[in-house]
Amino acid sequence: DVKVTQSSRYLVKRTGEKVFLECVQDMDHENMFWYRQDPGLGLRLIYFSYDVKMKEKGDIPEGYSVSREKKERFSLILESASTNQTSMYLCASSGRGGGDTQYFGPGTRLTVL
Amino acid sequence: GQSLEQPSEVTAVEGAIVQINCTYQTSGFYGLSWYQQHDGGAPTFLSYNALDGLEETGRFSSFLSRSDSYGYLLLQELQMKDSASYFCASLGQGGKLIFGQGTELSVKP
Repeated sequence: DVKVTQSSRYLVKRTGEKVFLECVQDMDHENMFWYRQDPGLGLRLIYFSYDVKMKEKGDIPEGYSVSREKKERFSLILESASTNQTSMYLCASSGRGGGDTQYFGPGTRLTVL
Repeated sequence: GQSLEQPSEVTAVEGAIVQINCTYQTSGFYGLSWYQQHDGGAPTFLSYNALDGLEETGRFSSFLSRSDSYGYLLLQELQMKDSASYFCASLGQGGKLIFGQGTELSVKP
């Protein structure tokens, strides 16, 4: 079974703090993605990565950066957290071809106070 | 811009059939996917249509018409456990998905 894990299920941080969200997949997938999910807005893509050290901006990259030093790990970084970054963050991974089914992690609910 | 439109909520009774429509306006379109998400859970893959026509997977079927930029998810023999949010998503280059806002399905006894 594909497994995508995220470092925390719930996280509370203060405005201005640097926040790291970690995601690990065990299926040797090339593609990895970070989304945020807010009520009524669906899932919005923040950043994605095709391969190690590769990254591409998604639809809402402002205020975020990412790091992919190893194939199985994709990190989302909030350099200076703000209250409008309070959200559910979902990581996903996919292989190449065949509809590129994305497998999601359980999500991290981040609250910025 | 790129967008997908789907109804925000649908209600149906156990045992019934429900259809969730999705219209899309995206560039570099490869196909249409559907994901299910239960409250508090992660989205899980349901189906994918790369070509026009109907794809059937058990009680769930998905349809795509590229010429109409339209697709739907059909759920048959509804069960209470089918109460969830359903997202259509267009697949673009590099495995990138653009998601609709989601349809909340409520199944009543």
